[in-house]
Amino acid sequence: AQTVTQSQPEMSVQEAETVTLSCTYDTSESDYYLFWYKQPPSRQMILVIRQEAYKQQNATENRFSVNFQKAAKSFSLKISDSQLGDAAMYFCAYRSANAGGTSYGKLTFGQGTILTVHP
Amino acid sequence: DTGVSQDPRHKITKRGQNVTFRCDPISEHNRLYWYRQTLGQGPEFLTYFQNEAQLEKSRLLSDRFSAERPKGSFSTLEIQRTEQGDSAMYLCASSPGAPVSTDTQYFGPGTRLTVL
Repeated sequence: AQTVTQSQPEMSVQEAETVTLSCTYDTSESDYYLFWYKQPPSRQMILVIRQEAYKQQNATENRFSVNFQKAAKSFSLKISDSQLGDAAMYFCAYRSANAGGTSYGKLTFGQGTILTVHP
Repeated sequence: DTGVSQDPRHKITKRGQNVTFRCDPISEHNRLYWYRQTLGQGPEFLTYFQNEAQLEKSRLLSDRFSAERPKGSFSTLEIQRTEQGDSAMYLCASSPGAPVSTDTQYFGPGTRLTVL
């Protein structure tokens, strides 16, 4: 079974600075997808960024970028020019790309990292 | 563009009562997922549907839980004989289903269940 681990329960950053959230995962599969989701307080979860495991190039979405290290099974999220609106719980998630596998379709989430942004 | 909606947003019930939650996915999304999230934790997968077919169920989904998706549109999640341990946020998500490479799940606001 796949597992996702976020070792930083809480992180903080000053507005306009850069912060990196860590995520590691364990899988025996070679093809999969990785995601970062953001869950603001009392609000619904939204997708921040996604990465296909077969792509060597790291995904980027505006101020958000990832550092995907497939061999190390590491998938960190970098937030540049942090804004007050970035404050939220961030979840790393894994999804199998193996249509015949038992975990296909479902997301496996980490425990989350609470990000605080200081003005 | 209407997102995933869930009803009710909050439900307080007494132990032993039955509760039912509804999820309306994004229009034309073939897949629908249910997750459970306890305070301070990441969501845990419960079950998912491809159209009206329930394709996978987690071991977390005990016999007291049942989910349906009649006609492949909205879905309901019923919990019978609720227990205090059922208190959690129940999240619904939907995705287009194809192509696989861009099959991203979009989440609803959740239903927060409190069992007294």
